[in-house]
Order: sequence, then structure tokens, then C-alpha cells
Amino acid sequence: AQSVTQLGSHVSVSEGALVLLRCNYSSSVPPYLFWYVQYPNQGLQLLLKYTTGATLVKGINGFEAEFKKSETSFHLTKPSAHMSDAAEYFCAVSSGGGADGLTFGKGTHLIIQP
Amino acid sequence: DVKVTQSSRYLVKRTGEKVFLECVQDMDHENMFWYRQDPGLGLRLIYFSYDVKMKEKGDIPEGYSVSREKKERFSLILESASTNQTSMYLCASSLFLFDREGEETQYFGPGTRLLVL
Repeated sequence: AQSVTQLGSHVSVSEGALVLLRCNYSSSVPPYLFWYVQYPNQGLQLLLKYTTGATLVKGINGFEAEFKKSETSFHLTKPSAHMSDAAEYFCAVSSGGGADGLTFGKGTHLIIQP
Repeated sequence: DVKVTQSSRYLVKRTGEKVFLECVQDMDHENMFWYRQDPGLGLRLIYFSYDVKMKEKGDIPEGYSVSREKKERFSLILESASTNQTSMYLCASSLFLFDREGEETQYFGPGTRLLVL
């Protein structure tokens, strides 16, 4: 069985400040890890994913995440927050192969203060 | 670009009605998924399918069924809608990979917000 824990249902940062959204996972096999973003009244859009290889993964809109096996973490960061980053962010894990579905965290609502 | 479309953005039904939610993808993906999204609970997998006429239960299949008669279309059925099925329903699709070669991205539709009265 696999699970995902996102620390903090709401995170508030000032515009221009560092964004850090935390994600910890558990998985019985080497995991594949994802971050998705959901803007109001829209579906989910992939930000980035880790499958194999380099543990620092760069995604769209200036986001990146680092897979740390020893800490079972996959935290999402962005050096400088922009107002347009305000959205719901979901971390997800899968066991691979594409056929089993993703296990999602409960989501973190990112609020950007002007 | 991959496109996943869902038949309705908003739907209002009465308790006991049979409800069909339709999802269509245009990228010849083998895998299709239905999730429901609830505040504070994230997304939970209801059913998925890796081929035509094939279906597998996800984490919360109770009260739901699915149909996949064509590769591009995956339907979620609520046989007798109940108020606790009021939710946002999201459909997704992805390519199928063998032998855990990696994980293909799941592409999501815009969602159907269902209200059961």
C-alpha cells in the first residue's frame, strides 16, 4: 500500500518569497512521484514528475522538487512566488506501469499575499 | 495536446436517480481513471480501466460502476444517486506501460461538479 502526506492544508507566502510545499510518501516499491496543480474551477495539470534518474526535477512555471529517498520526501519549491501561483497543489505517488492509478495527498492551498 | 473532456461541468440530480458521467480522451490512451475530489480529502480513485471492457476497482468503488465499450470513452455510473455522492468527479487518462518502465503522465479533464439533492 502507498500513501501521501502533505503537511499544511493552507500555506501563505508573500509575493516574491520562497514557496515550499511539503510532501512525504510511503511506498513498498520504488515510487514514482508527481506534483499537480489545480486552478479554480479547472482540472489538474502536471507540474513535474520523478520516475528515475536525477533526483532534482524541474517543472513548469519555475517549480522544482527533490526526491530524497532517505527522508521519503518530495517537497515542491519555487524561489520567488507570483500571484498567479495561487492554487491547490497535490502530491501523488504511484507504483509504476500506469495501470494502477495515483494515490494523492489531501492537497495544499497556496495563498499569495501581495 | 492531449485532451480529456467530460460531458458536463455541473450536474444536479435527485436522490435515487441513475446518473451517467461521460469522459472522452483523444490520444488513444489505454488507461482511464475516475476520481472524486472532496475538500480536505484530496482525490480518491473510484475505478480504472486499462483496456476496453476491462475495469478494476479503486479505493472507493462502493455505489459506483463503470463502462468502457470503446477505447476513448469511459463512463462512470451512479446506479442510485445519494447525497453523499455530491462531489467533484475527475476523469484522467494515460498510456499503458509494461514492466514498470516508468510512469506515464495522467491527463485530467476539467471535472464534473455533481450535486445530489
